[in-house]
Amino acid sequence: AQTVTQSQPEMSVQEAETVTLSCTYDTSESDYYLFWYKQPPSRQMILVIRQEAYKQQNATENRFSVNFQKAAKSFSLKISDSQLGDAAMYFCAYSGSQGNLIFGKGTKLSVKP
Amino acid sequence: DTAVSQTPKYLVTQMGNDKSIKCEQNLGHDTMYWYKQDSKKFLKIMFSYNNKELIINETVPNRFSPKSPDKAHLNLHINSLELGDSAVYFCASSHGTRPYNEQFFGPGTRLTVL
Repeated sequence: AQTVTQSQPEMSVQEAETVTLSCTYDTSESDYYLFWYKQPPSRQMILVIRQEAYKQQNATENRFSVNFQKAAKSFSLKISDSQLGDAAMYFCAYSGSQGNLIFGKGTKLSVKP
Repeated sequence: DTAVSQTPKYLVTQMGNDKSIKCEQNLGHDTMYWYKQDSKKFLKIMFSYNNKELIINETVPNRFSPKSPDKAHLNLHINSLELGDSAVYFCASSHGTRPYNEQFFGPGTRLTVL
């Protein structure tokens, strides 16, 4: 069975600084995607970024980028120039052969002004 | 236009009652999901339907019964509600079941069982 682990329950970053959220996963599948979702206090699930397992190039979306280390089964999220609006729960998620998302337990990110 | 909508957004009810949560998507997707987010924010798949056919049924009590009248709707009916059913329930949809298909989430329904 696939598992996703987020080892940082809470993180804090100063506004305009950079923060990295960690995620590791376990799978025996070869075809899968990895995602980072943001959940602000409004509780809406918002897709931040996704990475295809076959692509070696790390995905980037504006201030958000990932460090995908396939051999180590690691998928960290880097947020640059942190903004107050980045404060939220961040979930790492895996999607494989069944198509459903398997989530980590989340990291609560606080942004200090 | 809301892509994935859920009704109601909040539901407060007594133990033992039966309740339903409705989900509708207007994205033309053929796959829909129900996820449960517990009090510790942990999200877990409950059910998945593809073209109205149940394809994922996790270890969920029989009191939970999903129903998909058509590809655009996936409702969740819960019988004999228990305190432990209190959670936020998210509906989601995607085009197909392949891992690269982005899932679009509804706003969630916060269920409180008293």
